[in-house]
Amino acid sequence: NAGVTQTPKFRVLKTGQSMTLLCAQDMNHEYMYWYRQDPGMGLRLIHYSVGEGTTAKGEVPDGYNVSRLKKQNFLLGLESAAPSQTSVYFCASSYSRNPSTDTQYFGPGTRLTVL
Amino acid sequence: AQKITQTQPGMFVQEKEAVTLDCTYDTSDQSYGLFWYKQPSSGEMIFLIYQGSYDEQNATEGRYSLNFQKARKSANLVISASQLGDSAMYFCAMSSIKAAGNKLTFGGGTRVLVKP
Repeated sequence: NAGVTQTPKFRVLKTGQSMTLLCAQDMNHEYMYWYRQDPGMGLRLIHYSVGEGTTAKGEVPDGYNVSRLKKQNFLLGLESAAPSQTSVYFCASSYSRNPSTDTQYFGPGTRLTVL
Repeated sequence: AQKITQTQPGMFVQEKEAVTLDCTYDTSDQSYGLFWYKQPSSGEMIFLIYQGSYDEQNATEGRYSLNFQKARKSANLVISASQLGDSAMYFCAMSSIKAAGNKLTFGGGTRVLVKP
């Protein structure tokens, strides 16, 4: 049981390049999330998914796209990377929709630098 | 809108002593959850403890306990018998059934350094 995994762990991009971050979970969770964490700050939600085939915008969605073709995978895409997207990206997943029991479990993070 | 405030940017604690990390929250929702996560220097986010808004007893998980004062809207984390491995950033977060996607709102974090 690997929990939540993310690939890659590190990436350096040039401005304008594109890339896809992959998140996978083996806990049969319905909900999946992408957050970004900037220096000295907490996490901010980029996009999320409440089930296979569904996605929705979070707090800071501009410049990102996502897809959830399979329940266990949640992809985050950057079509044209910008230096402002330099950050650490975390994927998370959770099972139920009850906030009293809905713990989100996080992946190890992807450190992205855009030059 | 939901908001989490952690007023202590950093603190030192002596090994084997207890430490309290402050967290206050603001929400108009009746049903919500409060969470604490630990982020060591390696970067991962580790879930520590949660408290449901309707839970009457304070949550405990090993050396971690959550001092939940609903009327004051505070959810302080208490770490007892601090260990060197407790040195990390600690984030308070909350979720609400009314928050889109059940997203977590995070505070700015408190950095804890345990001294031997």
